[in-house]
Amino acid sequence: QQQVKQSPQSLIVQKGGISIINCAYENTAFDYFPWYQQFPGKGPALLIAIRPDVSEKKEGRFTISFNKSAKQFSLHIMDSQPGDSATYFCAASTGFQKLVFGTGTRLLVSP
Amino acid sequence: DVKVTQSSRYLVKRTGEKVFLECVQDMDHENMFWYRQDPGLGLRLIYFSYDVKMKEKGDIPEGYSVSREKKERFSLILESASTNQTSMYLCASSLQGKGYTFGSGTRLTVV
Repeated sequence: QQQVKQSPQSLIVQKGGISIINCAYENTAFDYFPWYQQFPGKGPALLIAIRPDVSEKKEGRFTISFNKSAKQFSLHIMDSQPGDSATYFCAASTGFQKLVFGTGTRLLVSP
Repeated sequence: DVKVTQSSRYLVKRTGEKVFLECVQDMDHENMFWYRQDPGLGLRLIYFSYDVKMKEKGDIPEGYSVSREKKERFSLILESASTNQTSMYLCASSLQGKGYTFGSGTRLTVV
């Protein structure tokens, strides 16, 4: 019940295309859903986060879509750029509890 | 910005050695975490701490211990390093209910 399932494991997108990464969870008590971006040789960095009182949050080219009834949330990267090539992790937590991470998606944006 | 500093970027140790990985954060964060990252397995929680001198086991604590004598410092200890502990180790800190700030990681090789 504590798992967050992330897909796909890897993704190749053409420059200018839309990258979509999906996550699903079981624990309905989760109330905080962040996405992290990790470049090679670096630690993950918080990219964008959402709470379940909204269905969508947008920051620049990055959008989180949240479907509470389906217990799913996804990251959309519009106009994907080669500089977006990185590993992306979704995560979830409840209240003050620790984050539960997905297994990560390696994104490659081809020029 | 919060900064999380891990003392070493790369370490090579011999089997059986006692290994110390140090992590320091420069804000007044209550929570600190140690993860290991392996290809295909994502981020796995080793230990975490919600306060000075407090520690709790994560998902994979076997073969590890931790120390938190000061609020800003969280140390991971490999009591007797083994080759299966070769990995990237990531430290993170957070305020209650907030996203994590990660360090840049320590890539440990045990030979």
